[in-house]
Amino acid sequence: DADVTQTPRNRITKTGKRIMLECSQTKGHDRMYWYRQDPGLGLRLIYYSFDVKDINKGEISDGYSVSRQAQAKFSLSLESAIPNQTALYFCATSDPGNGPRSGANVLTFGAGSRLTVL
Amino acid sequence: GNSVTQMEGPVTLSEEAFLTINCTYTATGYPSLFWYVQYPGEGLQLLLKATKADDKGSNKGFEATYRKETTSFHLEKGSVQVSDSAVYFCALTGGGNKLTFGTGTQLKVEL
Repeated sequence: DADVTQTPRNRITKTGKRIMLECSQTKGHDRMYWYRQDPGLGLRLIYYSFDVKDINKGEISDGYSVSRQAQAKFSLSLESAIPNQTALYFCATSDPGNGPRSGANVLTFGAGSRLTVL
Repeated sequence: GNSVTQMEGPVTLSEEAFLTINCTYTATGYPSLFWYVQYPGEGLQLLLKATKADDKGSNKGFEATYRKETTSFHLEKGSVQVSDSAVYFCALTGGGNKLTFGTGTQLKVEL
């Protein structure tokens, strides 16, 4: 099994529908992230969580919400999907490590969830 | 704020050619620098990293040197293979322990 599993891998939906993308990990990492990837724009951070009780907005959180159900689970919701949310979404995890130059920010990514909003 | 600038792609090379993908950055303090690679249909995976000035990261024949004086972290490989075809992302982390990614550079290697 993959270290970071995303479901669904592909989803087509209509404008206004509520969508949830789920992420689970077996790495035992405290930190989890949601990114979206768009052609020509690279990866942009939507939300991140450094532990179960910690949720933080990233650079493009509008229109999204998240839930950290457990250390291993971090879901992303689009309450009312719109076409410009069509993108490839990635979940990632990391371990804080020991000290500022340790393994922190070495991310392990899931395979991605491709969302199309019509 | 922090930012990363990469050369635009796609970069198309013949097998065994020399590869350079340019990356420059803007950051306060002393960031750590990374190259991630995304193979078709997959998520990103760490290729190499450097955590302080003059460090050289290397992996799978790829290298990049952290140049603080030129704020650069260019990716190089002496002889590319078809299997190196992928999208390469330069990234940095500064304060707040969050990664900032460049826009990615697609590499296509042909026989």
